[in-house]
Amino acid sequence: DTAVSQTPKYLVTQMGNDKSIKCEQNLGHDTMYWYKQDSKKFLKIMFSYNNKELIINETVPNRFSPKSPDKAHLNLHINSLELGDSAVYFCASSQVGGSSYEQYFGPGTRLTVT
Amino acid sequence: SQQGEEDPQALSIQEGENATMNCSYKTSINNLQWYRQNSGRGLVHLILIRSNEREKHSGRLRVTLDTSKKSSSLLITASRAADTASYFCATDTGGGNKLTFGTGTQLKVEL
Repeated sequence: DTAVSQTPKYLVTQMGNDKSIKCEQNLGHDTMYWYKQDSKKFLKIMFSYNNKELIINETVPNRFSPKSPDKAHLNLHINSLELGDSAVYFCASSQVGGSSYEQYFGPGTRLTVT
Repeated sequence: SQQGEEDPQALSIQEGENATMNCSYKTSINNLQWYRQNSGRGLVHLILIRSNEREKHSGRLRVTLDTSKKSSSLLITASRAADTASYFCATDTGGGNKLTFGTGTQLKVEL
């Protein structure tokens, strides 16, 4: 059983397009995250939602809009894609407030903007 | 920034040898975690050490934490080819919501 799943795995699109990435977790966690990993493997948090409420919003262009329809899903919509958006985007989840703070990551979505 | 620096950036060893990776960070932490990332995959949690702990073991993994020096090390003993991956430290400054990841060490274990 996949704990954290993302779709699509690969996304190739042209500059200016709008695209969405979907994430689902079946771990019963209350907190979900989006991270961006650049070509140098630097991993940076973008957003975090706790029980559908936005709790972390790092300095991310407002072309990026997360949406959490329920606590098991966190989607990422990107408007007007730019070349610099090319990266691997990871979704993660965790149960904050318990004894363990580990995060569970999805397999990633490799976005290529041409 | 809180971003951790990892050292070395890349490490190549023979199977059976030990691998040591170091992580330094800048501000006070609640806990520090180590993750592994195989090529083309997501990150997998390995071990967590709390700020009041100095050493922790899990199988072939040994983690140390020196809060006075703001540094941690990950030791993998008796390495195997399957340990080939990138290893990241991540600091939690409180609350458990936000992890700040280091720059990573790419480990290659050769047969």
